[in-house]
Amino acid sequence: QQQVKQSPQSLIVQKGGISIINCAYENTAFDYFPWYQQFPGKGPALLIAIRPDVSEKKEGRFTISFNKSAKQFSLHIMDSQPGDSATYFCAASVFGNEKLTFGTGTRLTIIP
Amino acid sequence: NAGVTQTPKFQVLKTGQSMTLQCAQDMNHEYMSWYRQDPGMGLRLIHYSVGAGITDQGEVPNGYNVSRSTTEDFPLRLLSAAPSQTSVYFCASSYVRAPGNTIYFGEGSWLTVV
Repeated sequence: QQQVKQSPQSLIVQKGGISIINCAYENTAFDYFPWYQQFPGKGPALLIAIRPDVSEKKEGRFTISFNKSAKQFSLHIMDSQPGDSATYFCAASVFGNEKLTFGTGTRLTIIP
Repeated sequence: NAGVTQTPKFQVLKTGQSMTLQCAQDMNHEYMSWYRQDPGMGLRLIHYSVGAGITDQGEVPNGYNVSRSTTEDFPLRLLSAAPSQTSVYFCASSYVRAPGNTIYFGEGSWLTVV
């Protein structure tokens, strides 16, 4: 049973454009939603995270939008750059419980 | 500060062989875990530990064994390797129940079972 569904599987965006990756979850006990960025040959690294008491969190060019009623959250990358090319994973957990449930990943490619 | 260190980086095993993937962290984290990453399936939790002497199963524990004798180390043992265990393995660590917790991952161990 996949508790966190992520789409799209791959995404190609032009430099300067907006990259949008979507995730949906099923377990209503989840209350911590991080996004991880992974470059080839490296481990995932925390990019940005949100808790459901806010609908949006922004850090630089990266924004998480959260819709609690729809049980959906998304990552927006503004002014996408070639250096953003990586695989992005959404995840979910119960806050304070370190067991993360991951989405299946999105391979993002930014083209000049 | 080395963070989370995994060894070996690459390994080829024959079916039926056993081996241990090593993981060490120098951040004094209580929580350590092992994930496997397979194409199209994301990362799936194998085993985890919330402190020395305490381990528990994750989503896909079969065929793997762990122990946690020290805070720093959390080895993952493959008891009798099978081709289905061909994967990339990631060790991760964090503090336990800390607000805004960050889970840190190692760089991965690529395992091929032939």
